[in-house]
Amino acid sequence: SAVISQKPSRDICQRGTSLTIQCQVDSQVTMMFWYRQQPGQSLTLIATANQGSEATYESGFVIDKFPISRPNLTFSTLTVSNMSPEDSSIYLCSVATYNEQFFGPGTRLTVL
Amino acid sequence: GENVEQHPSTLSVQEGDSAVIKCTYSDSASNYFPWYKQELGKRPQLIIDIRSNVGEKKDQRIAVTLNKTAKHFSLHITETQPEDSAVYFCAAPLGVDTGRRALTFGSGTRLQVQP
Repeated sequence: SAVISQKPSRDICQRGTSLTIQCQVDSQVTMMFWYRQQPGQSLTLIATANQGSEATYESGFVIDKFPISRPNLTFSTLTVSNMSPEDSSIYLCSVATYNEQFFGPGTRLTVL
Repeated sequence: GENVEQHPSTLSVQEGDSAVIKCTYSDSASNYFPWYKQELGKRPQLIIDIRSNVGEKKDQRIAVTLNKTAKHFSLHITETQPEDSAVYFCAAPLGVDTGRRALTFGSGTRLQVQP
């Protein structure tokens, strides 16, 4: 399985500001995904981060709010823009190898 | 796209008993069904998965069964231990026909194993 790290592990932010979350994988992977897990809830896919092209967003998520970069096959960033308290969640990056999918440790975001 | 429903939302068992969690899916083309365990404050961990060409898979105390006709799959944990206490999520591919390998998750089952 791939080793996945995320930065920061947690942050407390003021509303109206933005936070960029980094995801690093120890091997080259084609598929990288970003998920959100609201408190006490399941995981919801935000977008698929495509290397060399724009990310593919799921219904309810837009690029202006969650811009994603994927400069190479081992790294991706997710920005949470113009934050509000409703954005308080755990954000997880994930990679797929064949069909198996593995998750990073997550970034716990609290917006005040 | 795929839709996965999971039951029950909470499950409490005595140590040593068995636990069963069930999920149903909507897309008959779905071909891969993983189960994740998430302990408090930790990332989801893949514990077992099954592909659509088999009906059952076991790994020590954990087993998963798949009924393609009824479009449901289940997680079975035998001889439960306190360390099995966690939230368990089932999942399925978001869109097999479109080649989308991202997963859609069930709502989760909080399992408590009472010592």
